[in-house]
Amino acid sequence: ETGVTQTPRHLVMGMTNKKSLKCEQHLGHNAMYWYKQSAKKPLELMFVYNFKEQTENNSVPSRFSPECPNSSHLFLHLHTLQPEDSALYLCASSQDPGLASNEQYFGPGTRLTVT
Amino acid sequence: GQNIDQPTEMTATEGAIVQINCTYQTSGFNGLFWYQQHAGEAPTFLSYNVLDGLEEKGRFSSFLSRSKGYSYLLLKELQMKDSASYLCAALDSNYQLIWGAGTKLIIKP
Repeated sequence: ETGVTQTPRHLVMGMTNKKSLKCEQHLGHNAMYWYKQSAKKPLELMFVYNFKEQTENNSVPSRFSPECPNSSHLFLHLHTLQPEDSALYLCASSQDPGLASNEQYFGPGTRLTVT
Repeated sequence: GQNIDQPTEMTATEGAIVQINCTYQTSGFNGLFWYQQHAGEAPTFLSYNVLDGLEEKGRFSSFLSRSKGYSYLLLKELQMKDSASYLCAALDSNYQLIWGAGTKLIIKP
């Protein structure tokens, strides 16, 4: 049990659908992250929130829209996705992104398939 | 540009020792992380090195050479449960993690 939970674990959606991914951390951390993990590729950082404020947006297409209502919850709203967006979406949290030894704790991920 | 290189896949035998190498090129450097990820599961933290040298944690050790931009993860007395992907990530000057694509380690009996 990592202390970071994600729902749903699996999601199949059409290109015209709207869905949301949810992440919750029970570790009292201040920072939360969304990553995209595609097969045989490095983890791609999408968004970073620190104390509920977005601090990173790595040129992510607008069809991905993050929301962080508080430091324990993070959402990723999805709409009009493309088949190439199919991937594992990982949420992570950490105490402070400005610390060098900033260990990130990951959730189990949502396996997204866009048809 | 920033880059992390590690082998795509390695195979080793149960009970043996395996070394997984990682080279990095980053804008500044604030340390190197190793994570383990079993298939279908979350990555979990293994080690963090910021100074040169070897750090040992039970069966796992991690080495760093800052001058060479090089690290390795050493796994001893391999067990079947060590079959997983091992992710190398370097922290750049902006405290952003630059990730490698991971090394899939296959353990054979």
